[in-house]
Amino acid sequence: AQKITQTQPGMFVQEKEAVTLDCTYDTSDPSYGLFWYKQPSSGEMIFLIYQGSYDQQNATEGRYSLNFQKARKSANLVISASQLGDSAMYFCAMREGGKLIFGQGTELSVKP
Amino acid sequence: EPEVTQTPSHQVTQMGQEVILRCVPISNHLYFYWYRQILGQKVEFLVSFYNNEISEKSEIFDDQFSVERPDGSNFTLKIRSTKLEDSAMYFCASSVRGAGGFDEQFFGPGTRLTVL
Repeated sequence: AQKITQTQPGMFVQEKEAVTLDCTYDTSDPSYGLFWYKQPSSGEMIFLIYQGSYDQQNATEGRYSLNFQKARKSANLVISASQLGDSAMYFCAMREGGKLIFGQGTELSVKP
Repeated sequence: EPEVTQTPSHQVTQMGQEVILRCVPISNHLYFYWYRQILGQKVEFLVSFYNNEISEKSEIFDDQFSVERPDGSNFTLKIRSTKLEDSAMYFCASSVRGAGGFDEQFFGPGTRLTVL
């Protein structure tokens, strides 16, 4: 069974608008961490944001915020004021033990 | 800002040949990882390494794979006899803490391995 599910293979957004990338997860561990990484066409993996299962507030990092709904087991990434440079693959990941388990990714295209 | 480095950026090899992929983790990090990403697919965990031992490995990490920290700075992944299906991007990552620690893993830029 998939532990991390990203149901949107591709998304389009107009420049300067906000976009939400979906991520649901499956775990029975009460303590876990959720991460989002960006992978531009050059291939590197860039850490964006982290949410801990016990964190009381949703994580925010600049234009990135995480809409964490624990009961629904979802950890959606919200990018506000999209920029052309945001066009990339976005991966949601969950820390299980020491390793990261990644979802299939969402390819975001920002239109001018 | 400290970063994980990997060499080479691209390696082309013939099927059956041995390859060694090299990584220099961030200097104060204690936990090291290898992941791979087959073209167009998700990133998959291969192995984690701590205190000169493998902590965890996936089913992908079979007897053809090995990891080593030959000195105080390098961390290597060796594929003994490459197969066509080993063609992928290989990422090295490091973190300060391991299991139970929710700090981020810092990824290197990757080595693209092409097996012909």
